[in-house]
Amino acid sequence: GQQLNQSPQSMFIQEGEDVSMNCTSSSIFNTWLWYKQDPGEGPVLLIALYKAGELTSNGRLTAQFGITRKDSFLNISASIPSDVGIYFCAGRSGAGSYQLTFGKGTKLSVIP
Amino acid sequence: DAGVTQSPTHLIKTRGQQVTLRCSPKSGHDTVSWYQQALGQGPQFIFQYYEEEERQRGNFPDRFSGHQFPNYSSELNVNALLLGDSALYLCASSLENRRHSPLHFGNGTRLTVT
Repeated sequence: GQQLNQSPQSMFIQEGEDVSMNCTSSSIFNTWLWYKQDPGEGPVLLIALYKAGELTSNGRLTAQFGITRKDSFLNISASIPSDVGIYFCAGRSGAGSYQLTFGKGTKLSVIP
Repeated sequence: DAGVTQSPTHLIKTRGQQVTLRCSPKSGHDTVSWYQQALGQGPQFIFQYYEEEERQRGNFPDRFSGHQFPNYSSELNVNALLLGDSALYLCASSLENRRHSPLHFGNGTRLTVT
């Protein structure tokens, strides 16, 4: 099935560093979502974006809906050990479509 | 406020068998979606149920079927299991009539087909 291009696939960072990951698509999306998944659990919603150009923050997390509607990025500032996990971007193409298309995930490891 | 609950948490089946997975949506939600997540991959959309009917389906064969009950809970059935059906099956719920109601996921059912 269709998937978004998410990068990087994995990253190792020092505690306190900032993190940036992004997601691109060949198709336009009307909604972009960012989820985090811990081992043995389901994805947990971090940030939802509904408008091109929208920039939204949730604590140390900031995400933007690309102006072309084909990309989104997620930044994490001042990383802490509990940020470890897999981050997924997901997009919904628009009216009449109920499915989310997911990226393959970015695995984040934080070195204390 | 109960979140999305799924049962069982783990299941082992033999190739060719049939399986039923169950999901109760988050309190107040009326729409249920099912996703399959293979190891190392992002979730893939199977189908969505609203008002007890399947209203959108992803690229999955007819061996995958579902049901939604009047209390909004849902079941996912998979017939004639294949080794490739081994995956984490995620249920997600949302509220239809709320603008911008994002999906809330359960912790999934880990299905292993041997």
